[in-house]
Amino acid sequence: GAVVSQHPSWVICKSGTSVKIECRSLDFQATTMFWYRQFPKQSLMLMATSNEGSKATYEQGVEKDKFLINHASLTLSTLTVTSAHPEDSSFYICSARGQSALGEQYFGPGTRLTVT
Amino acid sequence: EDQVTQSPEALRLQEGESSSLNCSYTVSGLRGLFWYRQDPGKGPEFLFTLYSAGEEKEKERLKATLTKKESFLHITAPKPEDSATYLCAVQANTNAGKSTFGDGTTLTVKP
Repeated sequence: GAVVSQHPSWVICKSGTSVKIECRSLDFQATTMFWYRQFPKQSLMLMATSNEGSKATYEQGVEKDKFLINHASLTLSTLTVTSAHPEDSSFYICSARGQSALGEQYFGPGTRLTVT
Repeated sequence: EDQVTQSPEALRLQEGESSSLNCSYTVSGLRGLFWYRQDPGKGPEFLFTLYSAGEEKEKERLKATLTKKESFLHITAPKPEDSATYLCAVQANTNAGKSTFGDGTTLTVKP
């Protein structure tokens, strides 16, 4: 149990375009989802926390107009990188926490974004 | 502010050579301490949750322990497939449910 999927697993886009990444909890309802960014050989950097039906809470320094997060249902959250630039190239990972979970997060496999 | 420090940064072991990874933490009211395993190019995989000092959890060759200031991940007779980055995270009773992650320990087990 506790499986989280992400789509796509990798994407290449041109500078100035927008990219949407989907995160789904497949076998549980996720009341809270998290979006992370990870640079090579570095730890996870939390970008935002989203609760179903509510606006996302962004970490300091993360541009909410650039990284749009929508948590429309208990099984789906999306991250849209708007007007992407090469510096947005990174590994993006989502995680989900269920209603009854006592804190542990279940992570998706990640999405590798390359902006050319 | 919650803080998590993991050591060593990297650890190289021979197959069968047991060792321990350390996670030191400071948190205002611990709700839980978590261990994850991350393979290159993949998302972290949940391993253990520890809630109170003295608690221990085991899974195959891994055993996690917790004190009031640190946690250890003991690896007994490791195999090459145990090679990965191990992440420790803490969650406070407050802080909106967010977890604070350490930078990880990259374990390499040579055959």
